[in-house]
Amino acid sequence: DTEVTQTPKHLVMGMTNKKSLKCEQHMGHRAMYWYKQKAKKPPELMFVYSYEKLSINESVPSRFSPECPNSSLLNLHLHALQPEDSALYLCASSQDQGGGSPLHFGNGTRLTVT
Amino acid sequence: SQQGEEDPQALSIQEGENATMNCSYKTSINNLQWYRQNSGRGLVHLILIRSNEREKHSGRLRVTLDTSKKSSSLLITASRAADTASYFCAIGAGSYQLTFGKGTKLSVIP
Repeated sequence: DTEVTQTPKHLVMGMTNKKSLKCEQHMGHRAMYWYKQKAKKPPELMFVYSYEKLSINESVPSRFSPECPNSSLLNLHLHALQPEDSALYLCASSQDQGGGSPLHFGNGTRLTVT
Repeated sequence: SQQGEEDPQALSIQEGENATMNCSYKTSINNLQWYRQNSGRGLVHLILIRSNEREKHSGRLRVTLDTSKKSSSLLITASRAADTASYFCAIGAGSYQLTFGKGTKLSVIP
């Protein structure tokens, strides 16, 4: 089990649906991340929140909308996704932003867009 | 941001043997990290080595860093079937986020 909890574990959604992915950590970390990972590929950074403010958006399409309600929670709102968006979505946290401290990952949400 | 390049892409060994994976990069780094990912799961942090360090150990893991050759290696000694996973190096450079390499898929045969 990890210290970063992601729900749901699996999600199947149609292209017209709206859904949300949730992530929670209670380690007091100030940076939280969303990564997207396709099969047999490395994780690709999508968004970074530092002290609850969006600090990095890696040119992600607007059909993905992140939200950080407080220092422990991170959401990813999904709307009008495409089948190619099917992937493993990973949440991570670290003590601070900048690549100098280890990332703690959740086990991900396996998303299938039909 | 820069991406590390792992070598080999895949490695298959017998239980009890040692496994060595390499990571090369192109520009200056602040630190280099190694992660393990079991199939369909999240990544687990293994070791962080800073640019002024040459070697670090953690249990059966040994990581070396050669900044003159811009390369790092991860050695797993006395491998076990449970070590079967994908291993990624991640580059920490400047103030930017970590960038993950493509990974090495390790299979340890019982």
